[in-house]
Amino acid sequence: RKEVEQDPGPFNVPEGATVAFNCTYSNSASQSFFWYRQDCRKEPKLLMSVYSSGNEDGRFTAQLNRASQYISLLIRDSKLSDSATYLCVVNSAGGNKLVFGAGTILRVKS
Amino acid sequence: NAGVTQTPKFRVLKTGQSMTLLCAQDMNHEYMYWYRQDPGMGLRLIHYSVGEGTTAKGEVPDGYNVSRLKKQNFLLGLESAAPSQTSVYFCASSVTPPGDSYNEQFFGPGTRLTVL
Repeated sequence: RKEVEQDPGPFNVPEGATVAFNCTYSNSASQSFFWYRQDCRKEPKLLMSVYSSGNEDGRFTAQLNRASQYISLLIRDSKLSDSATYLCVVNSAGGNKLVFGAGTILRVKS
Repeated sequence: NAGVTQTPKFRVLKTGQSMTLLCAQDMNHEYMYWYRQDPGMGLRLIHYSVGEGTTAKGEVPDGYNVSRLKKQNFLLGLESAAPSQTSVYFCASSVTPPGDSYNEQFFGPGTRLTVL
């Protein structure tokens, strides 16, 4: 079983739609969680960290469910510019490295 | 302030050839990392460094060597390239260690390597 698993998608949504991605992780000792965004043929960039209490940044909301070992990302009012691959990232058991999911592809269409 | 830069951007090698990928950062970050990214897989950590003069193995270190002689530079070497090393290589740096609750890693633009 992969340490971090994501639905690869693609998720095809119209502009203005709300879309949600989930990511599951296998290591219950993981402490840090993040969502990164990667545009086509570009480098990953941090979108947001995920805190136990959940956090929101504009149209983006991230949630953590430790009991079920998953994190989620909700995007409201999708824009064309949101089209990208979203990477779920979790710190490893020993806390000395990050483990990246393979990513979920989002395509927002007009 | 260029952030993280990588050279070269593209390279084609023949099996058995060697090469060095250079990563440089101007943010004075202590921690640096080399990843590879293959289709359908997440970024996988090859080697990392927690400071000048130190390196450590990541998840997939075989076939690669690294050096961190200067704080701002992290070199990745392939001594004898194999087709399985065809990939996109990303360098990253961070001011906090990977286990930190706010470990933002800043990535370079990547190097696309093809080994024939």
